[in-house]
Amino acid sequence: AQSVTQLGSHVSVSEGALVLLRCNYSSSVPPYLFWYVQYPNQGLQLLLKYTSAATLVKGINGFEAEFKKSETSFHLTKPSAHMSDAAEYFCAVSERTGRRALTFGSGTRLQVQP
Amino acid sequence: GAVVSQHPSRVICKSGTSVKIECRSLDFQATTMFWYRQFPKQSLMLMATSNEGSKATYEQGVEKDKFLINHASLTLSTLTVTSAHPEDSSFYICSIQGYNEQFFGPGTRLTVL
Repeated sequence: AQSVTQLGSHVSVSEGALVLLRCNYSSSVPPYLFWYVQYPNQGLQLLLKYTSAATLVKGINGFEAEFKKSETSFHLTKPSAHMSDAAEYFCAVSERTGRRALTFGSGTRLQVQP
Repeated sequence: GAVVSQHPSRVICKSGTSVKIECRSLDFQATTMFWYRQFPKQSLMLMATSNEGSKATYEQGVEKDKFLINHASLTLSTLTVTSAHPEDSSFYICSIQGYNEQFFGPGTRLTVL
């Protein structure tokens, strides 16, 4: 079984400040890991994914995440927050083979203060 | 990435009626599609996995007779909420399985009065 824990249901940062959203996972097999962003009443947009090879993954809109196997973590960062980054962020895990259904974390709402 | 559409985007219905939601893959032949449900201010929960030409696989606790899934072609899966009740009001999102990621539709907001 797989699971994802996102620490902090709400994170508030000032515009221009570092964004750090935390994600820890549990998986009995090497997983695929994803970060998605969701704006109100919309579907999910993929920010980035870890599927193999490079442990530091760069995504869209200046976001990046680092896969740390020893810490079972996949934290999302962005050096400088924009107002447009305010949204709900979901970390997700899937198996590499088989059904590959996603298991989502509970989500983190990011607020960006002017 | 692949483009996924859902129709309708919003639907309001009376309690006891049935509602059909379509999920279309516009540019990718999707052998596998997934249906998720998201309650307000909550995460996405997988309801079922839909495979083209075969019966859907439902997650524990999801009533297969209430949530009918038909994946009749490689580009279309439908979710029918039968005899809908207010507790079925939710945001329903479909996705298609790509090579190593899923592509999501924009979601359907169902409100049952």
